[in-house]
Amino acid sequence: DAKTTQPTSMDCAEGRAANLPCNHSTISGNEYVYWYRQIHSQGPQYIIHGLKNNETNEMASLIITEDRKSSTLILPHATLRDTAVYYCIVRVGIYNQGGKLIFGQGTELSVKP
Amino acid sequence: GAVVSQHPSWVICKSGTSVKIECRSLDFQATTMFWYRQFPKQSLMLMATSNEGSKATYEQGVEKDKFLINHASLTLSTLTVTSAHPEDSSFYICSARLGGIKNRVNYGYTFGSGTRLTVV
Repeated sequence: DAKTTQPTSMDCAEGRAANLPCNHSTISGNEYVYWYRQIHSQGPQYIIHGLKNNETNEMASLIITEDRKSSTLILPHATLRDTAVYYCIVRVGIYNQGGKLIFGQGTELSVKP
Repeated sequence: GAVVSQHPSWVICKSGTSVKIECRSLDFQATTMFWYRQFPKQSLMLMATSNEGSKATYEQGVEKDKFLINHASLTLSTLTVTSAHPEDSSFYICSARLGGIKNRVNYGYTFGSGTRLTVV
């Protein structure tokens, strides 16, 4: 089973920051948090991942709480093309020893004009 | 870089026939690939993990004789849906684990574009 819980849906105004929360209270010390998004009828697209430090790339920022029990994905300036289902995933297992991604239900983000 | 090509993007087949879906890593070697299934309005469900040169590991509840996985080379994994029935109609997605050194673009897992299977 997935180790994360996310709100089912969220709305965001175009141009504003989208903050997507995720709870992973049972996360272990060496388990990474990954974020992917899926636009309708396409394969998931990688956004960002992290262990315990905050991470930023050209797409988004990932803020992980100090106790690592929750995280927030931030899209700084949401556009209509960011409308998608966003998945927060805790990788099960060690990366090169069978580690795999088990998807939860995700958050359906709607960016509105 | 790190592109996974999945083919075909959609297929319609008759009930009782078999369908093969291919997943290729174009610019890297994928020792491990994953196969997911997604029904409408639902999340991705992991079906199996395939390692190059060895038998696939199936998730609980997935019929290994129905969903045949072959990973004979470092760049190709195939999923064959045998004796397909309408309930097998779904969106099938492959994923490859990127090995080696972390890079700033992607690290971990990259996904194919998916195959829409319709069994009539």
